[in-house]
Amino acid sequence: AQTVTQSQPEMSVQEAETVTLSCTYDTSESDYYLFWYKQPPSRQMILVIRQEAYKQQNATENRFSVNFQKAAKSFSLKISDSQLGDAAMYFCAYRSPPGNQFYFGTGTSLTVIP
Amino acid sequence: DTEVTQTPKHLVMGMTNKKSLKCEQHMGHRAMYWYKQKAKKPPELMFVYSYEKLSINESVPSRFSPECPNSSLLNLHLHALQPEDSALYLCASSAGLHPGYTFGSGTRLTVV
Repeated sequence: AQTVTQSQPEMSVQEAETVTLSCTYDTSESDYYLFWYKQPPSRQMILVIRQEAYKQQNATENRFSVNFQKAAKSFSLKISDSQLGDAAMYFCAYRSPPGNQFYFGTGTSLTVIP
Repeated sequence: DTEVTQTPKHLVMGMTNKKSLKCEQHMGHRAMYWYKQKAKKPPELMFVYSYEKLSINESVPSRFSPECPNSSLLNLHLHALQPEDSALYLCASSAGLHPGYTFGSGTRLTVV
């Protein structure tokens, strides 16, 4: 079975600084998708960024970018210019088509310090 | 409409009660999911309805039963729950070939 590991249960960052959240995964598939989801205290899971495994280019969404290392099975999230609204639990997730199931990591709780 | 709507947002129920959680989406998604999430833990998959076919996580107790009246609506019927069933219940949908989920905002369930 696929596993997703987030080795940092908690992280903190000063407002306006940059922080990187780590994620590694284990799979024998060659075609899959990776995601970062954000879950603020309001509790809704919000998609932050998505990466297709067949794409070599790292995905970017405004202040959020990933470092996707397929051979190392690593998928880290970089948040630039951190804002107070970025404080949340961040989950890394894996999905391999055609299956429907997501595999979630254990999450990283991010605190943003004013 | 790009949302998954869950009702109620909060529910307190006794162990002898019967209640239902409702999830609705109007994005034409053909797959819908129920997840259970404990505090500071990742969501755990309970059920999947994909193209009218139900898939069940075998570890889910029978006191939880899903119902899919149509492709836009997914219910979760609750009966004789235990205090350890208290959790956030998340519904999600996906568009089949599209890899991402859209999540609802969840129902916070407390069993007393």
